[in-house]
Amino acid sequence: GAVVSQHPSWVICKSGTSVKIECRSLDFQATTMFWYRQFPKQSLMLMATSNEGSKATYEQGVEKDKFLINHASLTLSTLTVTSAHPEDSSFYICSASWSYTDTQYFGPGTRLTVL
Amino acid sequence: GEDVEQSLFLSVREGDSSVINCTYTDSSSTYLYWYKQEPGAGLQLLTYIFSNMDMKQDQRLTVLLNKKDKHLSLRIADTQTGDSAIYFCASPRGTGNQFYFGTGTSLTVIP
Repeated sequence: GAVVSQHPSWVICKSGTSVKIECRSLDFQATTMFWYRQFPKQSLMLMATSNEGSKATYEQGVEKDKFLINHASLTLSTLTVTSAHPEDSSFYICSASWSYTDTQYFGPGTRLTVL
Repeated sequence: GEDVEQSLFLSVREGDSSVINCTYTDSSSTYLYWYKQEPGAGLQLLTYIFSNMDMKQDQRLTVLLNKKDKHLSLRIADTQTGDSAIYFCASPRGTGNQFYFGTGTSLTVIP
């Protein structure tokens, strides 16, 4: 149980375009989902926390107009990188948890490369 | 803010034990977690320990918690080449479930 998927697993796009990444909890209802960014050989940096049906809470320094997060259902959250630039190239990982535990279950990650 | 520190690298021979250490500063964490990340993949939950426990054993994994020193360790017995990965300790922020992640320890197992 507690499986989280992400789609796509990797994406290459041109500078200036927008990219949407999906995060799904496959076998449980996730009231809370988290989005992280990981640079090579570094730890995970929390970007934002999203609760189903409400606006995401962004960490300091993360542009909410650039990284749009939608958590419209208990099994799906999306991260849209708008007007992507090469510096947005990174590994994006989501995680999900349900209400009665603090444990986060992670998706496999999405590798974004912006040319 | 919260600091979660880990040593960056560890190298062991196959069959030996590995010990990965972590120190943290937020003493209000209810649980402390260990995650494993293989190259190009997401994080896999390995184990966790409740903050009122000193030790938890799960097959080849042993977690030791010293609350006084705010020190957490993960021991892997009979380390195998498949254990080569990056290991992260994670501490929730206070009573919420946002995590502080350690810097990650890259474990290399030498055949």
